Amino acid sequence: EDKVVQSPLSLVVHEGDTVTLNCSYEVTNFRSLLWYKQEKKAPTFLFMLTSSGIEKKSGRLSSILDKKELFSILNITATQTGDSAIYLCAVGDNAGNMLTFGGGTRLMVKP
Amino acid sequence: DAGITQSPRHKVTETGTPVTLRCHQTENHRYMYWYRQDPGHGLRLIHYSYGVKDTDKGEVSDGYSVSRSKTEDFLLTLESATSSQTSVYFCAISDRTGFDYGYTFGSGTRLTVV
Repeated sequence: EDKVVQSPLSLVVHEGDTVTLNCSYEVTNFRSLLWYKQEKKAPTFLFMLTSSGIEKKSGRLSSILDKKELFSILNITATQTGDSAIYLCAVGDNAGNMLTFGGGTRLMVKP
Repeated sequence: DAGITQSPRHKVTETGTPVTLRCHQTENHRYMYWYRQDPGHGLRLIHYSYGVKDTDKGEVSDGYSVSRSKTEDFLLTLESATSSQTSVYFCAISDRTGFDYGYTFGSGTRLTVV
């Protein structure tokens, strides 16, 4: 059974801080790892990673995957109150067309 | 979200009653999924569909059934609602490449069983 564990469970920072969110996984036949941001409603797609060591960037957000150690990190620099959300990590398995999600990290950015 | 709608948005129901949630898509995507989201558990897969009348169970399928008679509609039924099924339910869709580029999620249905 595929398993995804995220840490920390929750995090409170102040605007301007840099945060690192962690995602570790166990999957039989790894295909991809995805990050989502969830504000009040539906999760929205951030990144998809398949290769180790290649950083994906979008503005102040970046993510990297380590397939040897089976984890990924999501970095957010110069945080803003609009970054407050639940961040979800999910892994895809080559055995089937579905994603397994972690429990999420709730980030709160205070002014 | 554009292309996928869930109904109802909110529902309160009594223990023991059947409840049906609807997911409707206009993207003609092959795959459709039902997840539930509870604090500390992230999103857990209930059932999914890989085509009309083709469905399979997910991680937490007990007490739920699904049907997909048309490409655009995926129904989730709680046969006899229990308080443990109080949750936020999300529908998601993907096409062949969605597995690599993620799902598109609906806005969710908040279900309360009293």
